[in-house]
Amino acid sequence: RKEVEQDPGPFNVPEGATVAFNCTYSNSASQSFFWYRQDCRKEPKLLMSVYSSGNEDGRFTAQLNRASQYISLLIRDSKLSDSATYLCVVNLNTDKLIFGTGTRLQVFP
Amino acid sequence: EPEVTQTPSHQVTQMGQEVILRCVPISNHLYFYWYRQILGQKVEFLVSFYNNEISEKSEIFDDQFSVERPDGSNFTLKIRSTKLEDSAMYFCASSVFGDVAGELFFGEGSRLTVL
Repeated sequence: RKEVEQDPGPFNVPEGATVAFNCTYSNSASQSFFWYRQDCRKEPKLLMSVYSSGNEDGRFTAQLNRASQYISLLIRDSKLSDSATYLCVVNLNTDKLIFGTGTRLQVFP
Repeated sequence: EPEVTQTPSHQVTQMGQEVILRCVPISNHLYFYWYRQILGQKVEFLVSFYNNEISEKSEIFDDQFSVERPDGSNFTLKIRSTKLEDSAMYFCASSVFGDVAGELFFGEGSRLTVL
């Protein structure tokens, strides 16, 4: 089983739509959780950390379910500029971040 | 805004040649990392570096790889004898805190092509 598993997509949605991405992780000892965003052929950039209680940053909402080892990201009111690959990332309380393969989002006008 | 800078942006080399990729982390950061991403695949951890020594490395980071912080500003990744499968984008990253409690800041990457 992959350490971090994501649906690769692509998710093609119109502007203004709400879209949700899911991610599962295999190691129950995982301590920290993140969503990174990666534009085509660019470096990953932190979108948001994911906290146990769930957290929101503007149009973005992240949820964590430790029992099911499941992380989600909800994007409301999608913009063209949201088109990117969204990377689910976990950490086992070591120096190493473990990345998923990413879910590609394409927002069209 | 402070950023991590990497050089070269693209390097083409022959199999068996040595390659050095250079990075200048953000100046007040203490933890330094190399990751790589083979085209179309996930980002993979190679090595972390703190207090002038390797703190963790992956199974990818074998004897062909080494890292160095020679002058207190540059952080380098050396591949001694490149293989075709070393072709990838190599990302340097730095952070203020270890244990990835804080944000990792990535450079724009160095694309390595091994022929």
